[in-house]
Amino acid sequence: QSVLTQPPSVSAAPGQKVTISCSGSTSNIGNNYVSWYQQVPGTAPKFLIYDNYKRPSGIPDRFSGSKSGTSATLDITGLQTGDEADYYCGTWDTSLSAGVFGGGTKLIVL
Amino acid sequence: EVQLEESGGGLVKPGGSLRLSCAGSGFSFSHAWLNWVRQAPGKGLEWVGRIKSNGQPGATDYAPPVKGRFTISRDDSKTTVYLHMDSLKAEDSGVYYCTTAHLRGYDLNFWGRGTLVTVSS
Repeated sequence: QSVLTQPPSVSAAPGQKVTISCSGSTSNIGNNYVSWYQQVPGTAPKFLIYDNYKRPSGIPDRFSGSKSGTSATLDITGLQTGDEADYYCGTWDTSLSAGVFGGGTKLIVL
Repeated sequence: EVQLEESGGGLVKPGGSLRLSCAGSGFSFSHAWLNWVRQAPGKGLEWVGRIKSNGQPGATDYAPPVKGRFTISRDDSKTTVYLHMDSLKAEDSGVYYCTTAHLRGYDLNFWGRGTLVTVSS
């Protein structure tokens, strides 16, 4: 049971937009920054978003993040087949004094 | 180019111990906060713990399931971080990743390829 809640899967057609949600509480998302990671099965995760909405160098602007209260979202526009992967949100939990992740969302590009 | 290379994984019996190493290069190792993240087969990511750069108060933090059993240490002269695991359980099995933190100490920007730990009799 993950501290952060994500939908198990989302799907959309190439070229479309998809939104992945991440729900938490005041002890984690509500008072800390959210990051997002992309993991293609069999490979290490990749840093996609930090500080709720900022993109590291090299990440295309098709990927965008936002946060409101105790929830965060990752939007991916102009979907490509190469975007098929598992996506994880992560942050710090002040009550646990520990990092926490969502359970992951599998993106299927139909 | 930032590189992180984990080693030390393998098969260990329940109750046993194992030490993982992670050698870093291409960045200012002594200033970096370093995290360990694991992933059980077919499961999601699980944060294990972190070590702050030397001199920082409260140098280490651990996830509740491993607190008291796992210890993270670092040797800046060797640009290496260690994860010492004691009293291992089957549920500790998985791929262990070493990561650097970007700005907040828990935003994980660079990852190694991981090393597989299997706890089984």
